[in-house]
Amino acid sequence: GQQLNQSPQSMFIQEGEDVSMNCTSSSIFNTWLWYKQDPGEGPVLLIALYKAGELTSNGRLTAQFGITRKDSFLNISASIPSDVGIYFCAKYRPGSARQLTFGSGTQLTVLP
Amino acid sequence: ETGVTQTPRHLVMGMTNKKSLKCEQHLGHNAMYWYKQSAKKPLELMFVYNFKEQTENNSVPSRFSPECPNSSHLFLHLHTLQPEDSALYLCASSRLDRGYGYTFGSGTRLTVV
Repeated sequence: GQQLNQSPQSMFIQEGEDVSMNCTSSSIFNTWLWYKQDPGEGPVLLIALYKAGELTSNGRLTAQFGITRKDSFLNISASIPSDVGIYFCAKYRPGSARQLTFGSGTQLTVLP
Repeated sequence: ETGVTQTPRHLVMGMTNKKSLKCEQHLGHNAMYWYKQSAKKPLELMFVYNFKEQTENNSVPSRFSPECPNSSHLFLHLHTLQPEDSALYLCASSRLDRGYGYTFGSGTRLTVV
């Protein structure tokens, strides 16, 4: 199948700590995406990765596209309370009706 | 304001009821999607509409019936649902020539009793 395995499922961290989560797949992709879903809202795109080995930052967020094109990680530095939410990895396959497929998500809780 | 508006935000319905979920976008997008989000499961793609034409039905039971009267509006008609259909239903839209640029609505939290 084309499932994305995302880990960990949940994380409880102290404010100020760094966070790391990852996503793996059995097949290769050309585009990896990371989304965040705030409580009571829909997912919002954080970072998009296009090339194997690519490292991209968006503020305190950093994501990398694995060399094998089968994995990606997302790091959040110096976490703050508003980082709470569910983080999803997703793969994009252009030309396919099933264009976005999501991982199962990582629920992040930031403790004061 | 996300650009994709879903109503209602919350819905409680009995198994014999008929209700409809509404999604509206004014972003000039030409593709619209319904996703189902259940607890501890990945977002599941249900239906895809490109230029008002349904191009994907991801083996969704017939008690869910989508309707796309124009490229700005999308409905999900519900009838004789089961308790396991309780979930967050998310609508999204995109431009077909801009790939992964999906915009999601805030969702409708559906509870079937």
